[in-house]
Amino acid sequence: GAVVSQHPSWVICKSGTSVKIECRSLDFQATTMFWYRQFPKKSLMLMATSNEGSKATYEQGVEKDKFLINHASLTLSTLTVTSAHPEDSSFYICSADPLAGDTYEQYFGPGTRLTVT
Amino acid sequence: AQSVAQPEDQVNVAEGNPLTVKCTYSVSGNPYLFWYVQYPNRGLQFLLKYITGDNLVKGSYGFEAEFNKSQTSFHLKKPSALVSDSALYFCAVRAGSTSGTYKYIFGTGTRLKVLA
Repeated sequence: GAVVSQHPSWVICKSGTSVKIECRSLDFQATTMFWYRQFPKKSLMLMATSNEGSKATYEQGVEKDKFLINHASLTLSTLTVTSAHPEDSSFYICSADPLAGDTYEQYFGPGTRLTVT
Repeated sequence: AQSVAQPEDQVNVAEGNPLTVKCTYSVSGNPYLFWYVQYPNRGLQFLLKYITGDNLVKGSYGFEAEFNKSQTSFHLKKPSALVSDSALYFCAVRAGSTSGTYKYIFGTGTRLKVLA
């Protein structure tokens, strides 16, 4: 149980285009999902907290207009990287908190490797 | 400021020896603490958590962690390391956020290498 999927697992896009990454909780509902970016030297940076039915909460320094987050349902959140640039190349990971019962745990997706050329 | 520190970038240990991966935290209120493991090009896997109760927490794959409130530490331990334990380990704390909800703050990670 508690499986989170991400799609695509990897994507290559040209500079200036937009890319959408999906995060789905497959066997549970989640009012809250988180989007992280992992840099080559391994640190995991929280980008934003995605709440179903409301606007995402972005961390300081993260551009809201560049990283669009939509939490469309209790099982789906999407991150769209708009007008992508090579410096946006990274490993993006989502996680989800189950709605039922407060387990204090978050379940992670397998990550999406984005390469912008 | 709420934060998590993992002072060691890398820990090397011989197979069969005990291992410790260090973590200290700074958070207001009661801390909810977690350890995750990451294998190459994968997401994070949950190992264990401390919410309340016994300071020694046992988790997956034979790992355990000890919550020490006075030292604000939550070190990860295993009595006998395996080569397959080699991975990247993250300590995290659940903290309040400015929006009034919560978020998870991660340490910078410690790479564990278990040598055969």
